[in-house]
Amino acid sequence: ETGVTQTPRHLVMGMTNKKSLKCEQHLGHNAMYWYKQSAKKPLELMFVYSLEERVENNSVPSRFSPECPNSSHLFLHLHTLQPEDSALYLCASSHREAGNTIYFGEGSWLTVV
Amino acid sequence: KQEVTQIPAALSVPEGENLVLNCSFTDSAIYNLQWFRQDPGKGLTSLLLIQSSQREQTSGRLNASLDKSSGRSTLYIAASQPGDSATYLCAVKFDRGSTLGRLYFGRGTQLTVWP
Repeated sequence: ETGVTQTPRHLVMGMTNKKSLKCEQHLGHNAMYWYKQSAKKPLELMFVYSLEERVENNSVPSRFSPECPNSSHLFLHLHTLQPEDSALYLCASSHREAGNTIYFGEGSWLTVV
Repeated sequence: KQEVTQIPAALSVPEGENLVLNCSFTDSAIYNLQWFRQDPGKGLTSLLLIQSSQREQTSGRLNASLDKSSGRSTLYIAASQPGDSATYLCAVKFDRGSTLGRLYFGRGTQLTVWP
């Protein structure tokens, strides 16, 4: 148990579906992140939220839409995905002050068919 | 371009050996460096965090060193055990152009320790 919980752990969706990934952190952190891990690339940052405001969008396609309703919850809404979007999506959190350890969740395995 | 490289990509050793995993980065202006462990199908577990002002960090059988001038870090695992089998990832937070939470990851070293 890392203090960062992601649901669902596994998701299979068609290219026309709409689904959402959920992340919840119980560590009292004020910054949350979405990272993507695919077989072809190193882990890469997608979005950063600090104090519930998006501070980074790392050139992510609009078919990925993040939402951060409060400092403990982060969502990734998925719409009209492509098969190449199949990957492990990792949520993480930290204190926003620089230099702090980042804690990751277990990840959500996404398969787009 | 800021990049992180890890060698070897895979390592298979018998139980009891002392191991060294290597990480190199392209820009010496780093804020900190973090080593993670990832078990198959799982998320990342933080092992050690080294701030730029530090030379090493230790936790149990693990020791991580940092040499900013040469752009390198090593993770030393003493007396390896089968339970150490996992992928080990190095991640760097660079000073320049680095937003909050942006870590640059290597591709990892996949370690197998056999009994």
